[in-house]
Amino acid sequence: QVQLQESGPGLVKPSETLSLTCTVSGGSISNYYWNWIRQPPGKGLEWIGYIYYSGNTDYNPSLKSRVTITVDTSKNQFSLNLSSVTAADTAVYFCARGSPAWVTRPFDYWGQGRLVTVSS
Amino acid sequence: EIVLTQSPGTLSLSPGERATLSCRASQSVTSRYLAWYQQKPGQAPRLLIYGASTRATDIPDRFSGSGSGTDFTLTISRLEPEDFAVYYCQQYRSSPRTFGQGTKVEIK
Repeated sequence: QVQLQESGPGLVKPSETLSLTCTVSGGSISNYYWNWIRQPPGKGLEWIGYIYYSGNTDYNPSLKSRVTITVDTSKNQFSLNLSSVTAADTAVYFCARGSPAWVTRPFDYWGQGRLVTVSS
Repeated sequence: EIVLTQSPGTLSLSPGERATLSCRASQSVTSRYLAWYQQKPGQAPRLLIYGASTRATDIPDRFSGSGSGTDFTLTISRLEPEDFAVYYCQQYRSSPRTFGQGTKVEIK
């Protein structure tokens, strides 16, 4: 059974960089697209971006200038960096598995989520 | 960007009743790349339906999806107590991936 677990600071100061890591267990990170999604408190879901295990990325244009997603296949991990954060970036951040290489699929496995609060 | 609009915002029903949730896209969702998720408080979303009508692994057959083009529907044939939650539709064909704003199914 594939499992995902987010880790990283739960509190980030305004203007600093939010950094989270997602560790994948129970399966290989290879041959899949890996996603970050966020959800502000009491609101809906917003897709942040994905990375393919080979390193190709795609980001939401609304966040593209501030987002970097990287992958470390040796550790079965992928990471999110979001720079210049403001209070509007306060949210639960989820990592999720997307499509395999051979077919287009939605997000079938999700982490439990990590609440990140932006505050001084 | 494909905008997904869900209706109604809230659905108040009793256990055993039928729930019908709608998701309308601002442009055609090609190849029916439309999914439905269920989210309960404090939990991650759970994939229910993909390809507009295919149930994900271990999803009960009281959940069904239909539709094509710009209009999609999630039906819960007989509500069980554990089905009261928020439901989101999502398109996963075009970038950026987008979600609807959610429909809350609450106990009447």
